[in-house]
Amino acid sequence: ETGVTQSPTHLIKTRGQQVTLRCSSQSGHNTVSWYQQALGQGPQFIFQYYREEENGRGNFPPRFSGLQFPNYSSELNVNALELDDSALYLCASSNRGKAGGPDEQYFGPGTRLTVT
Amino acid sequence: AQSVTQPDIHITVSEGASLELRCNYSYGATPYLFWYVQSPGQGLQLLLKYFSGDTLVQGIKGFEAEFKRSQSSFNLRKPSVHWSDAAEYFCAVGSYSGGGADGLTFGKGTHLIIQP
Repeated sequence: ETGVTQSPTHLIKTRGQQVTLRCSSQSGHNTVSWYQQALGQGPQFIFQYYREEENGRGNFPPRFSGLQFPNYSSELNVNALELDDSALYLCASSNRGKAGGPDEQYFGPGTRLTVT
Repeated sequence: AQSVTQPDIHITVSEGASLELRCNYSYGATPYLFWYVQSPGQGLQLLLKYFSGDTLVQGIKGFEAEFKRSQSSFNLRKPSVHWSDAAEYFCAVGSYSGGGADGLTFGKGTHLIIQP
């Protein structure tokens, strides 16, 4: 069973630029969630994708957007980067649709984004 | 809105001693509660979860947690810690909209230091 993978591992961008982060779900999972973890903080929920549609969003502006592909992999796009966007971006996959309750989310290792 | 409070930013425990990490949550309905562990530079690993039923739940690596509705708490315990338990621990609460889990709300984490 392949776990959640993310690319790239590290990324340095300049303020105002755009960035795309990628995530491959764990085998058998159909839902992807993205989180932002600033240094010394807990992860904050950005949004979730299920069946290629956004299905829940946290308190993040529209310049944070995403995609989910038919193979359940996902992208997080951030436009007009700001210094405060510097963080660890975590992707989590889960399997929605099982009877009996909520999903367990399994996290990837994250992408460390630095905005200068 | 749901929230999670982890009152202890840092905890230092001697190797072999017992451990209890505190977590308080605020949520209007039946909460779905999780504990995750994060080693430096890594993603989050699920230790255990509470969805319903027995309020004492067992997890991996010898951890357990007890759900106390009257105290809105979900404290994590381990009878004897090992040096490898040194990490950041996060408590999280999840919502369930019927179609599946939405985003998790995390606490700010507790940094566990193990003394030899």
